[in-house]
Amino acid sequence: DTAVSQTPKYLVTQMGNDKSIKCEQNLGHDTMYWYKQDSKKFLKIMFSYNNKELIINETVPNRFSPKSPDKAHLNLHINSLELGDSAVYFCASSQDGGYTEAFFGQGTRLTVV
Amino acid sequence: GESVGLHLPTLSVQEGDNSIINCAYSNSASDYFIWYKQESGKGPQFIIDIRSNMDKRQGQRVTVLLNKTVKHLSLQIAATQPGDSAVYFCAENIGGGFKTIFGAGTRLFVKA
Repeated sequence: DTAVSQTPKYLVTQMGNDKSIKCEQNLGHDTMYWYKQDSKKFLKIMFSYNNKELIINETVPNRFSPKSPDKAHLNLHINSLELGDSAVYFCASSQDGGYTEAFFGQGTRLTVV
Repeated sequence: GESVGLHLPTLSVQEGDNSIINCAYSNSASDYFIWYKQESGKGPQFIIDIRSNMDKRQGQRVTVLLNKTVKHLSLQIAATQPGDSAVYFCAENIGGGFKTIFGAGTRLFVKA
């Protein structure tokens, strides 16, 4: 049973389109995250949510809008996709935001053409 | 600025040897450190963590060392196996908050 699952695994789309990535965790965690991993493997946090509330927004363009309908879900919607948005996006969760490790999903590889 | 680690260096070791992966962090306020392993096509996976009130922590075949004086973290893997081949990331959590900063990662190759 997958702990953190995100869909789709691959996403290829044209510039200017709007797309969503879904994430669900069945670990009962309070905190969820979105990370972006670029082609050089650099992982950067985008958003942190705790109990459905936005805690961290790392100066991500407002074309990116996370939504947390409940503690188990954190979806990422991206408007007006640009070439530079191509990356692997990881959803993660942790018991709380502090001294606990995060559990990551398998990633969504987004390619904007 | 915010920076943890070096720009994706590569470490190649012989199977059975010990591996040491190093990481430098920049924020003195960081008080929680984690090592993650990322295999190809997968998300990062937790290996071991350490709080800033400790300087060493051991797990199964892995040891993390923390030197707060020079802001240095290392991961030691004993008897490295082919299955250890992956990219390893150190990460720091600042003030126990909701933001974890990852280093650039180190790619470990294990030669059989």
